[in-house]
Order: sequence, then structure tokens, then C-alpha cells
Amino acid sequence: AQSVSQHNHHVILSEAASLELGCNYSYGGTVNLFWYVQYPGQHLQLLLKYFSGDPLVKGIKGFEAEFIKSKFSFNLRKPSVQWSDTAEYFCAVNTNAGKSTFGDGTTLTVKP
Amino acid sequence: EAGVAQSPRYKIIEKRQSVAFWCNPISGHATLYWYQQILGQGPKLLIQFQNNGVVDDSQLPKDRFSAERLKGVDSTLKIQPAKLEDSAVYLCASSFSLGQSYNEQFFGPGTRLTVL
Repeated sequence: AQSVSQHNHHVILSEAASLELGCNYSYGGTVNLFWYVQYPGQHLQLLLKYFSGDPLVKGIKGFEAEFIKSKFSFNLRKPSVQWSDTAEYFCAVNTNAGKSTFGDGTTLTVKP
Repeated sequence: EAGVAQSPRYKIIEKRQSVAFWCNPISGHATLYWYQQILGQGPKLLIQFQNNGVVDDSQLPKDRFSAERLKGVDSTLKIQPAKLEDSAVYLCASSFSLGQSYNEQFFGPGTRLTVL
């Protein structure tokens, strides 16, 4: 069975600091990878996704993620965070059969 | 475009009572998901429908949970009887097609269930 591991449960940064959130998955076959974000009081929404091609994908609000197949990783990055990036971030994996697994999330707090 | 609708938003019941949640996906989305999200954890898939057929219900506790999507549109999730450990947020999501696993999921606001 596939699993998703997010290493950091809670990250606290000051504005303008750089961000990297780790995500590793375990699954031997082809996967599609997603980062979702949940801002306070809002629904889960898509931040970015990878399904083929360039392993460096760019999403909304200046976020990007890099798929490293050999490391089974899909880490999320942002060069300079803003207070409005305070949210919970979830990494998710879809197998080709459509089975979807989420990590336990990372809460990001950005101090103004 | 209207989003995924869920009701109720909040529900408080006592253990051993029954409860039902309703979900209306985005129009045209063939795939519908129900997730359970316990505080501090990520969403855990309970059941996945493609149109009105069940694709995956391997993590659904079938002795107490049931779900249906009779006309391939709306869906209901029922718990009977509820246990204390069922306290969680129940999320409904939809996506355009199961056949393309790169399609992202669109989530509703969730139903927060408290079992006393």
C-alpha cells in the first residue's frame, strides 16, 4: 500500500524567509503528485501538481516543487514567504489506478 | 462555477446515534470521494465513486459506515451507530474523471462531527 510522509509537522518562519517542506512517498509504480493548501477558514485547494515532463513544477503564489524520482520525493519550496502563506499544506499521491493518499500535513506559521 | 457543496457543516450527536452527511459535487465531475480527517492528520480516503459505482471502499468501516451515489451525482455518507472515535471532519471531493489520475480534486467545506 502506498504511503506519504511529511517530515515537518509545524514550521514557523519570519516573512521573507525561504521555505522548503518535505514530502516522501512509498509506491513502486507511476504516480501523480500534488500539493494542496488549506488557508484558515477555507477549503483545501490545489497548489500545484506533477504528472509528467519537467520535474520542476510551478504553482500559484510563487510556490514550486521538484519531483526527484530516485528519492521518492516531491518537496515544496518558496524563496520568500509572506504572512498570507500561513496555512496547512498537504502532499498527496495518486496512483495510476486513481488511488489517492494524503500526508498528515505541515502547518506553516509566518510571523510578520 | 459552483464548488462542492456539503451539509450539514456541523453536527453533534451522542454515541450510538446515527448521522448522515450529504455532498453535491461539481457539475460534470464523474469521480466523488469521501474522506475522514481526524484532528492533526491528513484526509483518509473512505470511499471513492466513479459515477454511481464504487471504485474503492477498502478503508470504509463497513460495519457502521455506508455510502451511496444513486444517480451518479449527489452522495450521502451514513454512520450507524456512531462511536467516539468517529469525531472528525468529513470531506467530500470531486474530480473530472478517475481515468485521468492527474486530475486534481476539488474539496467541499467539510462536515465537522462531534460524537459525545
